Amino acid sequence: NAGVTQTPKFQVLKTGQSMTLQCAQDMNHNSMYWYRQDPGMGLRLIYYSASEGTTDKGEVPNGYNVSRLNKREFSLRLESAAPSQTSVYFCASSGYNDYGYTFGSGTRLTVV
Amino acid sequence: GIQVEQSPPDLILQEGANSTLRCNFSDSVNNLQWFHQNPWGQLINLFYIPSGTKQNGRLSATTVATERYSLLYISSSQTTDSGVYFCAVGRGTGNQFYFGTGTSLTVIP
Repeated sequence: NAGVTQTPKFQVLKTGQSMTLQCAQDMNHNSMYWYRQDPGMGLRLIYYSASEGTTDKGEVPNGYNVSRLNKREFSLRLESAAPSQTSVYFCASSGYNDYGYTFGSGTRLTVV
Repeated sequence: GIQVEQSPPDLILQEGANSTLRCNFSDSVNNLQWFHQNPWGQLINLFYIPSGTKQNGRLSATTVATERYSLLYISSSQTTDSGVYFCAVGRGTGNQFYFGTGTSLTVIP
C-alpha cells in the first residue's frame, strides 16, 4: 500500500546511546518532515527537507541530525540520546502539487 | 513563530450531535490543514484548506485567511469521530507546518 513507512515502531534507549529512525515514502513526494509529539504540546517540527538534497531546521532541531538519502528516504539520528527526547516521532511527506501531509504511523521512543 | 490556538481544548458530545472546532493563528499564512488523530495515534489528513470552504461527507471546513481563523464542522457525530483534531498552518517555501495543541473530542453513544 502506498504511504509513509517508519521503523522501528517502538524503541527504548539508555541515556547517551545513539540511534537512527528511518522513514520512507513511495508516493514520489518531494518534501519530507520529522515531527515530535509530546503530551499536551501538539506536534513540533524538528527538521524538514523541501526537496532531495536539501535539509533545514525546524522549531526544535537541537540534539538531532537528518539525512535525505534519496527522494524516498529521510532519516533522523539521535547522536547521544537524552531523557528529554522521550517522545513519539512522526515522519510526513507532501508533494509538489499536493501540499497535504501524509503521516507515518509513528515511532514511540523512550530514553531511560 | 506562528502561534496556533485551538478551541475548545476538550469536547464531549452525544452521538448524533453537531460541533464546531475553531483554529486561530497569529500571523498571515498561505497553507492550512486539519488532521484527525485517532485513539491509536494515527494522523489522518482531513482537509488542506488555505482559504474557502470544503466538504467531505459529514465534515466540512472553512478558512478565512484575512481574519486568521479556520473552522471545522462535524455533523451527526459518531463514536468513530473520537480522537484529537489538529489544525496546522504554514507559510514557508518548504511547506513546513506548525501545529496547534488540538481539540480532544469524545463522542459517547
